[in-house]
Amino acid sequence: DVKVTQSSRYLVKRTGEKVFLECVQDMDHENMFWYRQDPGLGLRLIYFSYDVKMKEKGDIPEGYSVSREKKERFSLILESASTNQTSMYLCASSSSGGRSTDTQYFGPGTRLTVL
Amino acid sequence: DQQVKQNSPSLSVQEGRISILNCDYTNSMFDYFLWYKKYPAEGPTFLISISSIKDKNEDGRFTVFLNKSAKHLSLHIVPSQPGDSAVYFCAAMGGSNYKLTFGKGTLLTVNP
Repeated sequence: DVKVTQSSRYLVKRTGEKVFLECVQDMDHENMFWYRQDPGLGLRLIYFSYDVKMKEKGDIPEGYSVSREKKERFSLILESASTNQTSMYLCASSSSGGRSTDTQYFGPGTRLTVL
Repeated sequence: DQQVKQNSPSLSVQEGRISILNCDYTNSMFDYFLWYKKYPAEGPTFLISISSIKDKNEDGRFTVFLNKSAKHLSLHIVPSQPGDSAVYFCAAMGGSNYKLTFGKGTLLTVNP
């Protein structure tokens, strides 16, 4: 079974703090993704990565950056947290072996509150 | 521009009956569609998928139907169980990338 883990389930930070969210997958997947989920807005893609040291902007990258130094690990960084970044953050991974293997598998999520 | 639309924010059905969740898409490049189920405070879990070369895919109580001409897909759950109560997201993928575009979700409540 694919396992995607996220470093924290719940996190409370103050406005202006630098926040690191980490994600690790154990299936040797090439692709990794960061989403945020907000009520009524569904899942929105922040950043994704096709390979180590590769990154591409998703639909809402403003205020975020990412790092992928190792294949299994993908970090989301909030350089200066703001209250509008309070959300559920979800990490996902997938392989690149063709459509039947493109299914993304999600971690349990991190509920981030910025005060 | 919402490329994947789930027009029903919520749906309530009785245990044992059929649940039908609908999804419409606008992008003709989409060629792979997935349904995810999400409980509160958990990550989405993959349920079932369908390629655009098919019009139906079945897995136990879950069946997904795809109507390409109408750009419409639906998820049928038969029989519905209280444990099926969750938010269901429709997602689509297309072209040469691996990005998923998600709908906003439908909250399904199955009443005992």
